[in-house]
Formats: sequence, structure tokens, C-alpha cells
Amino acid sequence: DGGITQSPKYLFRKEGQNVTLSCEQNLNHDAMYWYRQDPGQGLRLIYYSQIVNDFQKGDIAEGYSVSREKKESFPLTVTSAQKNPTAFYLCASSIVRGSAFFGQGTRLTVV
Amino acid sequence: DQQVKQNSPSLSVQEGRISILNCDYTNSMFDYFLWYKKYPAEGPTFLISISSIKDKNEDGRFTVFLNKSAKHLSLHIVPSQPGDSAVYFCAASAGAGGTSYGKLTFGQGTILTVHP
Repeated sequence: DGGITQSPKYLFRKEGQNVTLSCEQNLNHDAMYWYRQDPGQGLRLIYYSQIVNDFQKGDIAEGYSVSREKKESFPLTVTSAQKNPTAFYLCASSIVRGSAFFGQGTRLTVV
Repeated sequence: DQQVKQNSPSLSVQEGRISILNCDYTNSMFDYFLWYKKYPAEGPTFLISISSIKDKNEDGRFTVFLNKSAKHLSLHIVPSQPGDSAVYFCAASAGAGGTSYGKLTFGQGTILTVHP
């Protein structure tokens, strides 16, 4: 079945550590996105990519990094520079300018 | 700078009645709009979209209306069902020629509760 898969579902990070969230899609979509959701807030865009080897910063890119070496994969690294990383992270993919399909999310908690 | 705004954090409706969810935007480059439904701890699921060349799009119980001059869109759900209870997000995408081409910007969401 085609879809978008995020892993892990839950992730715990110690302060000062970098962690990488995985996002894989087999929908043959060119565009991929990372969003962050905090309690009571909407989805805020971290990074997006419309093509392999290219990506753009979203509204809250500070403290995050991404890569897009393959069409199917768009991993997000939460670095130690991100001061408040505890949140629900959502990855999505779409044809460019189409409706986005979302993964089930990763809940990251700093301990 | 919140370019897509959903000013009502919550909406409560009786089963069988109409639910109307509203969304305003400020960026005149937006020309494609979408509505998503989200349950807790899950990813949003796509509901319906509309291009700026249209002012209405219908899909079953869901209808989206777009008023470009007012930079306003709304989602109507008729009749509302208890299973529709969820958070609803509107989203917008800008057309070619701008730096935000292809980027999906979301509103804050509206919690819809449909009572039996």
C-alpha cells in the first residue's frame, strides 16, 4: 500500500543531544514537508522540499536541519540548538501544489 | 505573522445541524486552499480543496466556499455527525512567481464538537 511512514512514534531526548526523525514515502511525491504542532496551536512549517537535493526553510527552521538525498526520504534532525524541542512532529508529502498526505507523527519529549 | 487565521478555537453543534468553520488569509499570493481534519495524536487527513478560480466546491456533506475579495473561506458540513468531531485546519498555498510557491501554510485549527 502507498503511504507515508514516520518513525519512531515516540522519542525521548536528553538535553544537548541531537536526534533524527525518519520520514519515508512511497507515493512518488516530489514535495515533502515537516511541521511541528504544539498544544493548542496549529501546524507550523519547519522545512519543505519540492525536489531531491533541494529544500527551503519554513517559518521555524532554527535548531533543525534536513536532507533530501532520495525522493522517498526526508529526515529531520532536531539539534541541541533547538531550545524547546518537545512537540508533536508531522511529516507530509504531496505532488507540488497538491493536497498533502500526512504521516502518523512522532512525539518528541526532552527528558 | 499569521497568514492563515482561524479565529474560532472551538465550535459546538447539534447532530443533524450545519457546522460552519471559517478561515481568513492575508497573503494575496495564495490561490489554492485546503481543509484537513485531525484526531489527537494522528496526522491530519485531507478533506476538500478549492482553487481560486472557483468560489465553491462540494464533496458529499462537505462544501468549501471561497470569497477572494474578503480573503475568506469557509467549510460547511451538512448534516453534522458525531464522527465529525475533530480539529479542522485550513491551509493555503501560493502560486508560481512567489518565494513561497508550493509551501503549505496552516491555520491554528478549530475544534468541532458534534453532540448527539
